[in-house]
Amino acid sequence: KNQVEQSPQSLIILEGKNCTLQCNYTVSPFSNLRWYKQDTGRGPVSLTIMTFSENTKSNGRYTATLDADTKQSSLHITASQLSDSASYICVVSGRNQGGKLIFGQGTELSVKP
Amino acid sequence: EPEVTQTPSHQVTQMGQEVILRCVPISNHLYFYWYRQILGQKVEFLVSFYNNEISEKSEIFDDQFSVERPDGSNFTLKIRSTKLEDSAMYFCASSPSVPTSYTEQFFGPGTRLTVL
Repeated sequence: KNQVEQSPQSLIILEGKNCTLQCNYTVSPFSNLRWYKQDTGRGPVSLTIMTFSENTKSNGRYTATLDADTKQSSLHITASQLSDSASYICVVSGRNQGGKLIFGQGTELSVKP
Repeated sequence: EPEVTQTPSHQVTQMGQEVILRCVPISNHLYFYWYRQILGQKVEFLVSFYNNEISEKSEIFDDQFSVERPDGSNFTLKIRSTKLEDSAMYFCASSPSVPTSYTEQFFGPGTRLTVL
């Protein structure tokens, strides 16, 4: 069954610190992996998109990595800010799936002053 | 910056009633989607729609659900005879082209549906 699992479920860090979120997936055949940020009560917003041929992609203070062999990805957030508090969701798309996205359950990040 | 809009933001209905959730995708986008998120659970794909036809649908999207693009701007999700378990946040999304590895999906803010 196509699944996306994330860890940890929740994370609390101090402002200015770095953190890394993990994602494992079993979606096959694989097309791409995305990381989304979702603020409470809002729709998800895309941070990065990677295909199997890409190992890393950055978007400002966000850096995503992908190991297509082990089917693992990570999202590293540098110099965290209070506004980074949100749910970070790993999302995978399979090939020829009509754009269907398979979501992980998200990591709830809380950045404290 | 263009964005996907959804109305209403919150809909309360009685079990057994029909509801229509409305979405205005980003202008010139071609592919449209509905997702739902039951409180505390993952976002789940419902359906994708292209060229006035359903492109892909999930097991959740049974005969109770239907989608329509009634005019050039709106995209609707109709739920017939709502059940308690239909209570969820419903997200509309759109993308500028047929899905490829890099095609972004832009999400609306969601409609919270509460079935009593």
